Amino acid sequence: ETGVTQSPTHLIKTRGQQVTLRCSSQSGHNTVSWYQQALGQGPQFIFQYYREEENGRGNFPPRFSGLQFPNYSSELNVNALELDDSALYLCASSQGRFSGANVLTFGAGSRLTVL
Amino acid sequence: AQTVTQSQPEMSVQEAETVTLSCTYDTSESDYYLFWYKQPPSRQMILVIRQEAYKQQNATENRFSVNFQKAAKSFSLKISDSQLGDAAMYFCAYRKASGYSTLTFGKGTMLLVSP
Repeated sequence: ETGVTQSPTHLIKTRGQQVTLRCSSQSGHNTVSWYQQALGQGPQFIFQYYREEENGRGNFPPRFSGLQFPNYSSELNVNALELDDSALYLCASSQGRFSGANVLTFGAGSRLTVL
Repeated sequence: AQTVTQSQPEMSVQEAETVTLSCTYDTSESDYYLFWYKQPPSRQMILVIRQEAYKQQNATENRFSVNFQKAAKSFSLKISDSQLGDAAMYFCAYRKASGYSTLTFGKGTMLLVSP
């Protein structure tokens, strides 16, 4: 069984640019969540996709958007990058939409640096 | 809103010794899950242990055990016979048991293990 893979692992952008991060979910999982982890902080929830629809969103502005594809892989897009967007972006997959018991499987993250 | 607090930014332990990491949380829910995740330098979040609030028995996974005090809203992690490979950032996390729910993380505790 393959785990969660994310790409790219590292990238550098300048303020105002746009970025797309990608995530392949674990086999058999239909839910993908994205988290932002700033340096020295715990991860913060951005949004969640279940069967290609966004079904939950944290306190992030609309310039953070996403997609989930029929194969349950996902993209996170960030427009008009700001310096504070520099962080580790984690993708997590799980099976099922609503259950606190669902175990999330995390990827190793994409480290974004905004200059 | 739920909050998770980890008051120890850093803890140190010697190999083979025992260490306890602290976590407190705040919620108005009666049923929920609590988690401890480990994040090594490879960045991938790894689930260490999970506890359901309705289960009075403390969860254990090999060398890892928790002390769950529901009334005090406390959830500490005990690592016995510490190993060099245990060195990592440890995050305490909360998730509501039913309905739409996301993981809420604490800020983490860095565990240093010395030979």
